Amino acid sequence: SAVISQKPSRDICQRGTSLTIQCQVDSQVTMMFWYRQQPGQSLTLIATANQGSEATYESGFVIDKFPISRPNLTFSTLTVSNMSPEDSSIYLCSAQRGNDEQFFGPGTRLTVL
Amino acid sequence: GEDVEQSLFLSVREGDSSVINCTYTDSSSTYLYWYKQEPGAGLQLLTYIFSNMDMKQDQRLTVLLNKKDKHLSLRIADTQTGDSAIYFCAESRYSSASKIIFGSGTRLSIRP
Repeated sequence: SAVISQKPSRDICQRGTSLTIQCQVDSQVTMMFWYRQQPGQSLTLIATANQGSEATYESGFVIDKFPISRPNLTFSTLTVSNMSPEDSSIYLCSAQRGNDEQFFGPGTRLTVL
Repeated sequence: GEDVEQSLFLSVREGDSSVINCTYTDSSSTYLYWYKQEPGAGLQLLTYIFSNMDMKQDQRLTVLLNKKDKHLSLRIADTQTGDSAIYFCAESRYSSASKIIFGSGTRLSIRP
């Protein structure tokens, strides 16, 4: 298994600002992902964080709004840019090693005022 | 398209069995999952089943799959207060096993 931590665990931000969320895995993993869980909703995949190259975004998500970095096999960041109240969500990082199960972090609860 | 649906709420008495149901639309689904999310925590994979199986049992958990009807269920025997959580049904295809499509989640509450 893998242990995943996220920072910050929660934040309250003003509209128009940006927040960077960090995801750290305790061991090297093949793939890392970022999901969004809007209030009362299910999880939606934002993008796959690729090590050494640009992230792969799902339909409806763009790099300018959600820039992602993955400098190595254990760490990734997601930035929520130019935030609006509609961005208030829980953002979850997950990681997968080979064809094993995906492990999820505890999530970052973001509130935008 | 891909869609996974679940009822939003379920309330059961402590000690009874809980049955959470899920339907999905993608006939190419290869893996079907049940995740548990406790308050303030991430998602925990409870169990999963391959599409060529119709049942899987793991201690208090029983997963039933009706592939013809695209119906998946999770039965929790002898439900305890610690089982209170949101349970997500999810599916993925072998060809893109990493992309997981989640249902809306079922909030299970336990009454004494």
